[in-house]
Amino acid sequence: AQKITQTQPGMFVQEKEAVTLDCTYDTSDPSYGLFWYKQPSSGEMIFLIYQGSYDQQNATEGRYSLNFQKARKSANLVISASQLGDSAMYFCAIGFFGNEKLTFGTGTRLTIIP
Amino acid sequence: DAGVIQSPRHEVTEMGQEVTLRCKPISGHNSLFWYRQTMMRGLELLIYFNNNVPIDDSGMPEDRFSAKMPNASFSTLKIQPSEPRDSAVYFCASSPMTSGTDEQFFGPGTRLTVL
Repeated sequence: AQKITQTQPGMFVQEKEAVTLDCTYDTSDPSYGLFWYKQPSSGEMIFLIYQGSYDQQNATEGRYSLNFQKARKSANLVISASQLGDSAMYFCAIGFFGNEKLTFGTGTRLTIIP
Repeated sequence: DAGVIQSPRHEVTEMGQEVTLRCKPISGHNSLFWYRQTMMRGLELLIYFNNNVPIDDSGMPEDRFSAKMPNASFSTLKIQPSEPRDSAVYFCASSPMTSGTDEQFFGPGTRLTVL
């Protein structure tokens, strides 16, 4: 069974510092994609970034980048120059080619301190 | 473009009552997902549809839960009879599923409280 793990239940980070949120996964399927979502206190789920298993380069979207280490089966989210608005729950998820389902991790609550 | 629309946004009901949650996916998306989020269990996939056909309902907790997608622009999740343990936020999401894996676009959720 595929599994996705986020080991940090909560993190506190000073504003303007960089943040790394951990995500590891366990699968023997070679064709998959990794997703990060943000859930602010208002409750909506916001898609941030995607990394395909065959992508050669790490994905980047503005201040978000994904540190993809395929051999280690990790897909950590890096947020550069954190802002107060980054305070939220962050979920990592995995999906497989040809299967629409996503499996989500338990999330990390990030709090940015002014 | 309008995102995924869910109604109602909040629902408070008494145990034993029927509850119907509604979802309108993004136009052109052919996959629709229903999730439930609780503190204890996190985000769980209940059921998903592709081209209006239920593909996987293994996450539906029990027979009290049912979901339908009569057309490409509308889906319902029904709980009958409702129980206090059904209290959760229910999300609907849709995806274009063009190739490989695609991101899912989530609605704002329905917060259900069963008294």
